[in-house]
Order: sequence, then C-alpha cells, then structure tokens
Amino acid sequence: EAGVVQSPRYKIIEKKQPVAFWCNPISGHNTLYWYRQNLGQGPELLIRYENEEAVDDSQLPKDRFSAERLKGVDSTLKIQPAELGDSAVYLCASTSRLERHEQFFGPGTRLTVL
Amino acid sequence: AQSVTQLDSHVSVSEGTPVLLRCNYSSSYSPSLFWYVQHPNKGLQLLLKYTSAATLVKGINGFEAEFKKSETSFHLTKPSAHMSDAAEYFCVVSVAGNQFYFGTGTSLTVIP
Repeated sequence: EAGVVQSPRYKIIEKKQPVAFWCNPISGHNTLYWYRQNLGQGPELLIRYENEEAVDDSQLPKDRFSAERLKGVDSTLKIQPAELGDSAVYLCASTSRLERHEQFFGPGTRLTVL
Repeated sequence: AQSVTQLDSHVSVSEGTPVLLRCNYSSSYSPSLFWYVQHPNKGLQLLLKYTSAATLVKGINGFEAEFKKSETSFHLTKPSAHMSDAAEYFCVVSVAGNQFYFGTGTSLTVIP
C-alpha cells in the first residue's frame, strides 16, 4: 500500500513569490490534514478536510494561504505571496473512517523563503 | 482545552541504557494519546497509541508507554536504547478522533 505522497520534497523561493504543495493521501482515507512544522517545534494544524469539505481552517492564515481538495482525494496548499516566516516543513497526513485515531504522514515539503 | 507538554527538549542516553521521554497532557475529555517518532528528513511514524483500553501500551521497536490518569502523564520508555533510536519524538493528544495536538518534541541522542 502506497503511503501519503507529497511533492515537492524541497522548495526554495524568494519572498513575495507564490508556492504550491501537493499531497495525495492513502487511498480511501477521507480525512486529510495539512500541518506546518517550524524548526524545533511540533506540527501545528493549518487545515483539516473531511472528504472535500474544509471542516477546520481556523489556523490557516487566509490572507496568504489557500487550500483545496476538489474531489476529496488529493489536495493542494498554496501560499501567495510567501514571506520569510513561512520557511518551515509542510506536512500532510490522512486518516480513515475505520481508524480515525491513527494519522499517516507524508515526508513533508521543506520550504525555504529567501 | 487540550495541550501536551513534553518535559525535556533533549535527552541523551548511552547505548544499551534505558530511555525515558516524559509527556504530560491536559484534556477536557477522555483523551487518546500517541507517541510519534521522526527521523531526520523523514515523515512522522506512529510508535504507539492509547485509546482507553489497557493503560500499558506496547509499541514498535521495543517502546512502551503507560497512561496514568491521576498524574495526567503518558511517558515513553524503552529498556535498552539502540543507536537507531536517535530521532525526534512527539507526544500527541487527540480528542473526538479528529483533532490532534502535538507537543514540542524531545530530541533523543544515543551515545555509542
């Protein structure tokens, strides 16, 4: 069984540029999470999807961040424009209805904003 | 409100000696608790989980943790550290099965 796939693995951009991250969860997992992990910190939730619906986006900085999961499968997280403070690892995770307690994580995308 | 406090940001042990990583939690509801491990440049991997069954939980790679409600703790232990255990460890509390709160992590160093 393939795990959670994320791309790209690394991204370096200059500030004010746009950037997008892609995540494909484990097949059949209806819940998808995007987290941001700053250096030396634990992951912090940005947004949670149940199928195609964003059910918790309270921590998403909506002035510059957006996300979509149009068909309830893969998802894209976008930042426009990026700021220096956005440098972090962006993690995607998914869970299934049957085993809601166990999150499966992708390898993450390490973003560096110069 | 839910939160997790990992009491040590760094732990250093010699290979073959016991490991203890401490975690305290705060939860308004009956929590589920987890330990995840993160090796450098890798995704987080579930080590073990407590979901209101047995309070002593055994996980992968010889790790175990004990849920102590009276102490609001969920400390992670291993009898004998291996070099491959060197990684970042996160304690996580979950409520309602779909909201997860991470601690700030404990970096484990294993000295040969």
